[in-house]
Amino acid sequence: EIVLTQSPGTLSLSPGERATLSCRASQSVSSNSLAWYQQKPGQAPRLLIYGASIRATGVPDRFSGGGSGTDFTLTISRLEPEDLAVYHCQQYELSGYIFGQGTKLEIK
Amino acid sequence: QVQLVQSGAEVKKPGASVTVSCKASGYTFSNYYIHWLRQAPGQGLEWMGIIRSSAGPSQYTQEFQGRVTMTWDASTNTVYLHLSSLTSGDTAVYYCASEKKESYNFDFWGQGTLVTVSS
Repeated sequence: EIVLTQSPGTLSLSPGERATLSCRASQSVSSNSLAWYQQKPGQAPRLLIYGASIRATGVPDRFSGGGSGTDFTLTISRLEPEDLAVYHCQQYELSGYIFGQGTKLEIK
Repeated sequence: QVQLVQSGAEVKKPGASVTVSCKASGYTFSNYYIHWLRQAPGQGLEWMGIIRSSAGPSQYTQEFQGRVTMTWDASTNTVYLHLSSLTSGDTAVYYCASEKKESYNFDFWGQGTLVTVSS
């Protein structure tokens, strides 16, 4: 079974800075089924990126995804206070849908 | 616009069962699957299983085999999660989420239902 490891566990940055979040798979995975979600405190997750690099409807272009094989990144340029959230990566394999443990983004 | 509206919070005793509902609207149901996921307090997201249609089979992750059932009432466009033999480890927020067929991601989510298992 594929394991997704996200790093760092917590990221603390200031408004206007750039955030780079990592999602590493234990074996090579298809970019077509790699997605990122944003979960604000007390809310359900929201789809941000799918197919590793395609922004979901309504997602600001400050959010971008990239990577292939085993290494994927979510980049948030020009952080805003509203970006405070936990970010989850997710992959599909034949046995089901797998999530990383999440990265908590704190805004100073 | 897809909308998924879940039933309210539940408190159950160990050994009991719980049923959570998810009413779907705003899309062509034949083009979507519905999933159930959960999130224990302070933890990450855990996928539980998928129901592909009112007539098709459900698929459950191994951890829940034997004590989970997912059903779809086509007359009301409502999907149900039934989980039995509850333990304190089942205390979590349970989410339903939609997947456009073969897209492999969850594009719309319900608001979540807190299930607390406590004696």
